[in-house]
Amino acid sequence: DAGVTQSPTHLIKTRGQHVTLRCSPISGHKSVSWYQQVLGQGPQFIFQYYEKEERGRGNFPDRFSARQFPNYSSELNVNALLLGDSALYLCASNTRLREEFFGPGTRLTVL
Amino acid sequence: QKEVEQNSGPLSVPEGAIASLNCTYSDRVSQSFFWYRQYSGKSPELIMSIYSNGDKEDGRFTAQLNKASQYVSLLIRDSQPSDSATYLCAVKSGGGADGLTFGKGTHLIIQP
Repeated sequence: DAGVTQSPTHLIKTRGQHVTLRCSPISGHKSVSWYQQVLGQGPQFIFQYYEKEERGRGNFPDRFSARQFPNYSSELNVNALLLGDSALYLCASNTRLREEFFGPGTRLTVL
Repeated sequence: QKEVEQNSGPLSVPEGAIASLNCTYSDRVSQSFFWYRQYSGKSPELIMSIYSNGDKEDGRFTAQLNKASQYVSLLIRDSQPSDSATYLCAVKSGGGADGLTFGKGTHLIIQP
């Protein structure tokens, strides 16, 4: 079975631009979570979606938004990019909202 | 504010010895506990989950949970150079909707 997939792998943007990151969960998993990991820190929770509804939100500004599609894939959108948004963005797939399995991540660099 | 604390290391352990990694958490309603391994430049990989007090063993790994002391640990027996990585402790509250709260990770080095 394929694991969690994310695209793109790497992305370079400039300040003020918008970015969309994509994630497909493990087959059969209906929940997707997004995390941001900056260098030297553990991942920080951004959003959780279950059955296409937002179930949880971390302490991130409104510039961050997400959605989940009928096939359970998900998008994370970030508007008005700041230098501090440079990070590894991780998508995690889980079932029954317990164990979470991470995808390879998207490394975003904001110049 | 939920917090998870880990010693950042580096923790250096000789090959073949037992590596002991520790984690404390602040939120008493936490119910699910996880250890992830993260190699440099890669994403976290789930290696252990534990939900009740006591020990849970899986191969060379043993997770230990003490909810009264709000303490989680991971033991790695017969440490191998391939175990060299950053180990992240993560906790989740009962409902799970808040996602995982991670520590900063402990950098483990296994010396050949």
